[in-house]
Amino acid sequence: EVQLVESGGGLVQPGGSLRLSCAVSGFTFSSYEMNWVRQAPGKGLEWVSYISSSGSTIYYADSVKGRFTISRDNAKNSLYLQMNSLRAEDTAVYYCARGVTIFGGLGWFDPWGQGTLVTVSS
Amino acid sequence: EIVMTQSPATLSVSPGERGTLSCRASQSVSRNLAWYQQKSGQAPRLLIYGASTRATGIPARFSGSGSGTEFTLTISSLQSEDFAVYYCQQYNNWPPAFGQGTKVEIK
Repeated sequence: EVQLVESGGGLVQPGGSLRLSCAVSGFTFSSYEMNWVRQAPGKGLEWVSYISSSGSTIYYADSVKGRFTISRDNAKNSLYLQMNSLRAEDTAVYYCARGVTIFGGLGWFDPWGQGTLVTVSS
Repeated sequence: EIVMTQSPATLSVSPGERGTLSCRASQSVSRNLAWYQQKSGQAPRLLIYGASTRATGIPARFSGSGSGTEFTLTISSLQSEDFAVYYCQQYNNWPPAFGQGTKVEIK
């Protein structure tokens, strides 16, 4: 069974940092691109970041560029999101999602983890 | 960046009736479009990719159509478990973008 399990969310003050993790099982992690997608409370979905299967290609949404860093450890079947300089508008449930790539890293997301809530507030 | 616009924001449908959801792209995305279902408190689930191909395990009552800038998700006969929020997503250009969602509620 394919499983993606996020962890690391919590309450953090504006300007603070947090590191999210996504533990994967049930498929060959090293063969797949991965993504982070977030959802602010009561709002829609926003793609955050992409990493290729080897980790050599990375993309970010403009809203997080320069503050967030995506990485992966294929030996540990794990995906990470280091979030620095957090702002109130980063408050959201963060989902990791496997990418099914068609071309240039682009594709759909399937499956998704259950998400981890990040709250940025003083 | 491509902007995805879904309509209506809320669709009120009686069980057993047909539901039609629309998604429009600000520029052509060819057929590089996916649909997701999200139930309250759950992660999104892939329904459709390639504008019209159902994902594994998705019932035949869900169908997708369209190309270019206009897309439709049709639920032929709404079941109780289908009341949820539905999102479209384009993957033709970076960055991938979602619509704002259509909530399908019980009439």
